[in-house]
Amino acid sequence: DSGVTQTPKHLITATGQRVTLRCSPRSGDLSVYWYQQSLDQGLQFLIQYYNGEERAKGNILERFSAQQFPDLHSELNLSSLELGDSALYFCASSPRLAGGPAYNEQFFGPGTRLTVL
Amino acid sequence: GQQVMQIPQYQHVQEGEDFTTYCNSSTTLSNIQWYKQRPGGHPVFLIQLVKSGEVKKQKRLTFQFGEAKKNSSLHITATQTTDVGTYFCAESNTGNQFYFGTGTSLTVIP
Repeated sequence: DSGVTQTPKHLITATGQRVTLRCSPRSGDLSVYWYQQSLDQGLQFLIQYYNGEERAKGNILERFSAQQFPDLHSELNLSSLELGDSALYFCASSPRLAGGPAYNEQFFGPGTRLTVL
Repeated sequence: GQQVMQIPQYQHVQEGEDFTTYCNSSTTLSNIQWYKQRPGGHPVFLIQLVKSGEVKKQKRLTFQFGEAKKNSSLHITATQTTDVGTYFCAESNTGNQFYFGTGTSLTVIP
C-alpha cells in the first residue's frame, strides 16, 4: 500500500460523457501526477501539480483537465469521452517538486480503470 | 513523444537464469528511474540514477547508467518467480515532465 488512494476503482461510461477521477496523495506529499496507461501507448505522463499549482504538462488532451485543491487532493476531469480513452489512470505523489536531477521517487496509487462503451 | 526506447518488450526465462532490460535514448538523459509493476498492480519505484557511469545494486538487481547518459540497464541475477512483472525505465527532464519507456514484461518459468 503506497498511501495514495484513488476513487473509483472502476468506471464504465458511454462515449460523449464526462467523468471525474479523484486522487488523495500520501500524507504530506505536495506533488501530484496523473498518468494514463493503455496497452498500445504504455504509461503516458499527463500533468503534474505542486501545492495547488500546475507545474508540468505532458500528453494531455484538451478534453482533459485537472486541478489540485487546497487540501492537496486532485481531480482529473475527462470530457467528451471516446472509445480510445479507455485505459488505466494512475495518480502518483511525491513529497517535493520532481523533475530533472532532483530525487524523483513517485508513489503510485492503485489506479482507476476507465471503460468507455 | 516518447524519448526512451526499452528492449526487449517481452522476456521469458527459466527460474534461476539472469535477465537484462535496456533503455536507450537519442538524447542525453538528465536522470533515469526504474519502476516495477506486478501484474494487476501499480508501478513501484526501484531506484534513480543521476551520474554518468553510475552503478547501483539492490540484492540481485544491478542498475547501470551509461557513460554518455544515453542508456541504462537493469540486470537481475538468478531470477525468482517473485521477479515477475513489467519493468519500466523513466526519465524526468528539467521541465518536470516524465517519460516512461515501453516496459519489459518478464515471465519467470518455475
